[in-house]
Amino acid sequence: NAGVMQNPRHLVRRRGQEARLRCSPMKGHSHVYWYRQLPEEGLKFMVYLQKENIIDESGMPKERFSAEFPKEGPSILRIQQVVRGDSAAYFCASSPEMSGRATDTQYFGPGTRLTVL
Amino acid sequence: GDSVTQMEGPVTLSEEAFLTINCTYTATGYPSLFWYVQYPGEGLQLLLKATKADDKGSNKGFEATYRKETTSFHLEKGSVQVSDSAVYFCALLYSGAGSYQLTFGKGTKLSVIP
Repeated sequence: NAGVMQNPRHLVRRRGQEARLRCSPMKGHSHVYWYRQLPEEGLKFMVYLQKENIIDESGMPKERFSAEFPKEGPSILRIQQVVRGDSAAYFCASSPEMSGRATDTQYFGPGTRLTVL
Repeated sequence: GDSVTQMEGPVTLSEEAFLTINCTYTATGYPSLFWYVQYPGEGLQLLLKATKADDKGSNKGFEATYRKETTSFHLEKGSVQVSDSAVYFCALLYSGAGSYQLTFGKGTKLSVIP
C-alpha cells in the first residue's frame, strides 16, 4: 500500500514565478491536509480539503496561495509570484474516513522542499 | 488558542541512555496527542498517540502517557540507539469543532552517539 506521495521532492523557483506542489493521498483516504515547515520550526497547518471542497483554510496566507483537491487527480498547492520567504518544506498529509468523519491520525508524505532564489 | 511546548534541543545522549523529551499543551476540550518523528530529509512518521486521559501510547520502545492533570505527554525510552537520532515533534489535534488541524511543537533534535 503506497504511502502519501508528493512531487516534486525539490523545487527551485525565481522570485515572481509560480510554484505547483502535488500530493496524492494514500489509497482510500479522502481527507488531505497541507502544512508548511520553516527552517528550525515545527509544522504549521495551512489547509484541509476533501474532494472538491476546502473545509478549513484558516492557515493559508490571504494572497498568492491556493489549494484544490479535484474529483480526479492529486491535490495541488499553488503559490503565485513566489518570494524568498516562501522557501520552506511543504508537507501533505492524508487521513481515512470513519463514520462520516476524518480519523484523528494523519499520514505524512516526504514533503516538497521549495527554494526561492 | 491551542499550543504545544516542547523542551528545547538539541539533546545528545550516549547509546543505551534513558531518554525523556518533555511536552506540555494548552487546548480547549480534550485533544488527541501525538508524537511524530522526522528523520533527515524525510517526512513525519507517526510514532505513537493517545486519545484520552491516562492512555499510554507505545511503539518501538518509546512510550508516552496522556496526563490531563498536568497537561503533559512526555516521551520516554529506556535505552536509545544510534538509529533513534532524529527530530521528535509533539502534536495535538482537537476535532471537536470540526477542525482537523494538527498543532505542533517546535521539535526536539535528538543525537545518539555510540
